[in-house]
Order: sequence, then C-alpha cells, then structure tokens
Amino acid sequence: AQSVAQPEDQVNVAEGNPLTVKCTYSVSGNPYLFWYVQYPNRGLQFLLKYITGDNLVKGSYGFEAEFNKSQTSFHLKKPSALVSDSALYFCAVRDSPAGASKIIFGSGTRLSIRP
Amino acid sequence: DAMVIQNPRYQVTQFGKPVTLSCSQTLNHNVMYWYQQKSSQAPKLLFHYYDKDFNNEADTPDNFQSRRPNTSFCFLDIRSPGLGDAAMYLCATSRRGGTGELFFGEGSRLTVL
Repeated sequence: AQSVAQPEDQVNVAEGNPLTVKCTYSVSGNPYLFWYVQYPNRGLQFLLKYITGDNLVKGSYGFEAEFNKSQTSFHLKKPSALVSDSALYFCAVRDSPAGASKIIFGSGTRLSIRP
Repeated sequence: DAMVIQNPRYQVTQFGKPVTLSCSQTLNHNVMYWYQQKSSQAPKLLFHYYDKDFNNEADTPDNFQSRRPNTSFCFLDIRSPGLGDAAMYLCATSRRGGTGELFFGEGSRLTVL
C-alpha cells in the first residue's frame, strides 16, 4: 500500500529566508510524486511533479523539490520565501499512471511566512 | 484557458434538504474525481470515474451519489445532508495513462444549518 507523510503541521519562516517543507513516501513500485498548494477557500493548485529523470525538479512560483530515493523523501524547497507563499501545502504520491491507481495525499503542512 | 469549473462556490442548505454540486471541465480529461475536504485536512476521495466507469470508495456514505452524463460534466448529489457533511467539495480531473497530476476546481463550500 502506498502512503505519504508530512511530519510538520506548520512551518514558520521569515521572508527572504530559504524554506523547506518535508515529505516522505512509501510505495511498492516507482513513485509518481506531486506537490500542491492551497490558498484559503480555493482548490488545490499543482506545483510540481517527479516522475523520472533529474532528482531536482522545478515548478511554479520558484518552488523546487528534491527526490531522494534512498531516504524516500520529496522535500519542497524555495531559496527565498515570500509572504505570498503562506498557504497550505500537500504532498501526494501514486505508484502508477492515472487510471490505474489512486493518488494519496499527505496531511498537509501550513506554511507561514512572516514579513 | 482550459479549466475545471465548480458551481456553486458556496452552498447553504438545511439539514436533510438535498443538494447537487456540479463540475464541468474543458480539459477533455477522461478521469474525474470528487473529494471531500474538512478543516484544512487532506482531501478525502469519494468517487472517481474512468470514462463512464464509476468507482465508489468503500467508506463513502450511501448519502452521497454521483452522475457523469458526459465527458465534460460531473455531479455530486447529497441526498440528505447532515451537519457532518459540511465541508469543501473538490472536483478534479486527470488524463488516463498520463503522469497523473490532478487539476482541481475552486471547490464548493457546503454549509448545513
């Protein structure tokens, strides 16, 4: 069975500092990994994905994530945080293409960027 | 722009009064999903369609039904809403066989009085 964990309910960072939001996963096959962001009273927005290839993937709004197979992690990062990055972030995983398996979401991490 | 549109964005109903939420998509994706999200928790999958094939999650209450009359539209029917059904309902789509990212609508927030 596949699963995903976000160990931090909340991450607080000062504006301009680097940020990291942690995610670890467990799948039986090759993972398809995703990050989504959710602003208040909005749907989830796709940020980036890892399917195969380079372990460092770049996404929207200056975010990037590093796939680490040995640590089964897919942490979200940004070199310099903005106040507008404050939102709820979800990591997600599936073990096969769409239609063959469900996507599993982590419990979410609330990112708060202080001015 | 191609997108996923949910209506209404906000729905207030009374205890036991049926509600229908709608979702339309211009992405021409063949997989559509309905999620329930409470209090900033992880979205919980209620149903999904692979084309016209309907898939019901084992723990989705019988109170919840869904229809997909064509590729573009999907409906969520809550037959007798209870206070515990107050939540954000999210529609999403993906392309079957693709890399699997979901494209979400803005959600419909349901309030039950």
